[in-house]
Amino acid sequence: AQSVTQLDSQVPVFEEAPVELRCNYSSSVSVYLFWYVQYPNQGLQLLLKYLSGSTLVKGINGFEAEFNKSQTSFHLRKPSVHISDTAEYFCAVSRTNAGNNRKLIWGLGTSLAVNP
Amino acid sequence: GAGVSQSPSNKVTEKGKDVELRCDPISGHTALYWYRQSLGQGLEFLIYFQGNSAPDKSGLPSDRFSAERTGGSVSTLTIQRTQQEDSAVYLCASSSPGVWDPSEQYFGPGTRLTVT
Repeated sequence: AQSVTQLDSQVPVFEEAPVELRCNYSSSVSVYLFWYVQYPNQGLQLLLKYLSGSTLVKGINGFEAEFNKSQTSFHLRKPSVHISDTAEYFCAVSRTNAGNNRKLIWGLGTSLAVNP
Repeated sequence: GAGVSQSPSNKVTEKGKDVELRCDPISGHTALYWYRQSLGQGLEFLIYFQGNSAPDKSGLPSDRFSAERTGGSVSTLTIQRTQQEDSAVYLCASSSPGVWDPSEQYFGPGTRLTVT
């Protein structure tokens, strides 16, 4: 079975400061990794994903994440946040050996609040 | 083109009543997923449909929950004899999976179900 732990439920940060949202996973099989964002009153949107290859992946809106297999982590970072980055961020995994079934196992989310 | 649509957007029902939630996936997407987003539980996988294959029902929380997908397109999630713990936002997602690329799941806006 797979599980995802997002270590911070809430992260307050000032505008233009850097931010890191932490995600660790547990799995007995290899997984793909994802970060989704949910802006207030909007649906879930994919930020970025790690499938294979380079462990540093870049996503939309200036976000990036680094896959660390030894630490089973996939932390999300942005060097300078904006007010508009205020949202709920979800880390998720799906098994690589499940054929076309890409059901996502989710963390509980991190609420990022960017303050002026 | 049009995204994933869900109806109704909000549903208030009395405990013990049956409800039906509808999802219209993106045209041409063969994979369809239902998830539930509730306070304290986060996002949970419910069920997965792929073409004419048998669905993965492993996430359905009880036999009061069922879903069908007609003609490989529209899906309906039915909850019988609703309970207060069924109150949540029910999310539908669709994707067009390939053999090697777990394509992005596109999420609908959700149906907020409140059981009184």
